[in-house]
Amino acid sequence: GEDVEQSLFLSVREGDSSVINCTYTDSSSTYLYWYKQEPGAGLQLLTYIFSNMDMKQDQRLTVLLNKKDKHLSLRIADTQTGDSAIYFCAESASGTYKYIFGTGTRLKVLA
Amino acid sequence: KAGVTQTPRYLIKTRGQQVTLSCSPISGHRSVSWYQQTPGQGLQFLFEYFSETQRNKGNFPGRFSGRQFSNSRSEMNVSTLELGDSALYLCASCPENSYEQYFGPGTRLTVT
Repeated sequence: GEDVEQSLFLSVREGDSSVINCTYTDSSSTYLYWYKQEPGAGLQLLTYIFSNMDMKQDQRLTVLLNKKDKHLSLRIADTQTGDSAIYFCAESASGTYKYIFGTGTRLKVLA
Repeated sequence: KAGVTQTPRYLIKTRGQQVTLSCSPISGHRSVSWYQQTPGQGLQFLFEYFSETQRNKGNFPGRFSGRQFSNSRSEMNVSTLELGDSALYLCASCPENSYEQYFGPGTRLTVT
C-alpha cells in the first residue's frame, strides 16, 4: 500500500542546519516532493526529485534520496526564523497527479 | 503569472446543506486536483481533472463531486454536509508535461 511517514516535530537554532526525514513505501513512485505550509496558507512547492536521482541541490535546500531504503530527506542550510513552518513530503506514481502526502513535520526555529 | 485562486476563502455551513467551492488554475494549466486537509487525516487526495474529464479519484464518498469547465476552472461540490467535512480544501494545478503541482491558499469550510 501507499504510505508516507515523517517525524512530527523538529526544533533547531537559527543558523544551524535542519534535516527533515521521510520514508515512503510505494516503489513505483516516480517523483518525490517537498512542500512548505505556513499558518493559514496553502502549500508552497519547495523542490522535487525524480526517482532516478540521488541528490538535488537548490540554494539552501538539499534533497537526498535513498531508493533502496525508500528514504527521502530535506536539508535546510543556515536555517532562519522564516523557515518555521510545516514541511510535507509527497510522492506520486508514474503517470498520475495523485499525490500521497506525509503527516508533515513542524519545524520550529529558535532565535 | 497569477497563482491558483480559490473562492471563497472561508465558509460556514450547517449539517445537511450542500456547498460548492471554486478553483481557478494558473493560466495555461489544464490539470486541476483537489485535496482535503484535516488535523486527523492530514492531506488526502479527492480527485483530479484534465480537459473537463476526471482522471483520478480518491477514496471519498459520492457526496464529494467535482467538475471542470472548458477554461480549466474547477468546482467541487459536497452534498449533505457532515461535521467531519470541516476541513481546509486545497486546489492545485499542474502544467502539461510536468508533475509539479502548485497549490492555492485553500477554502476553509466549517460545518456546524
